[in-house]
Amino acid sequence: DAGVIQSPRHEVTEMGQEVTLRCKPISGHDYLFWYRQTMMRGLELLIYFNNNVPIDDSGMPEDRFSAKMPNASFSTLKIQPSEPRDSAVYFCASSLVWNTEAFFGQGTRLTVV
Amino acid sequence: GENVEQHPSTLSVQEGDSAVIKCTYSDSASNYFPWYKQELGKRPQLIIDIRSNVGEKKDQRIAVTLNKTAKHFSLHITETQPEDSAVYFCAASGGSARQLTFGSGTQLTVLP
Repeated sequence: DAGVIQSPRHEVTEMGQEVTLRCKPISGHDYLFWYRQTMMRGLELLIYFNNNVPIDDSGMPEDRFSAKMPNASFSTLKIQPSEPRDSAVYFCASSLVWNTEAFFGQGTRLTVV
Repeated sequence: GENVEQHPSTLSVQEGDSAVIKCTYSDSASNYFPWYKQELGKRPQLIIDIRSNVGEKKDQRIAVTLNKTAKHFSLHITETQPEDSAVYFCAASGGSARQLTFGSGTQLTVLP
């Protein structure tokens, strides 16, 4: 397996634009997590899914953020409209079951200007 | 929910010396404690983990200890090498929340 795959690797967008980040988890993994990493706040969990169902989205900053997992092999994180304070590295991670190693994707570095 | 505190935020050691990073957690029901290493511009990767039924685990130069009573766990790296320089994150899970809660990270620098 190629591991968790995220796209794009880098995204630069203007304030107010819609941004969509994509993630393909490791095949067979039941859990998928979206994290945001910044210098100020470290690694923050935004939302996680179990068997494609969103379980906890309490970390989603506000209504501008939404996430979906239409099937076991694909998830998206959307920001609409984007703001400069959304600039960060967004990581997707997956794990086989709960309470085990989470495998991280390479991340998407988002810059909103 | 779970709260994980990590210290120190930065640590510099001479090559060959040992490094110790400490974390405390708040949820006494947490039972899984992994440590991740993140090199500059890379993804976090698991280096070692421990479960609550074990007090210590060792893998070559890396060891983790867990004190459930005090709710703290530590990462020990012996004979440090320049390639150990990275940010290290502790995490906890298994309590009221199923997701990993991460500490704030420790920037380890190994000086040659």
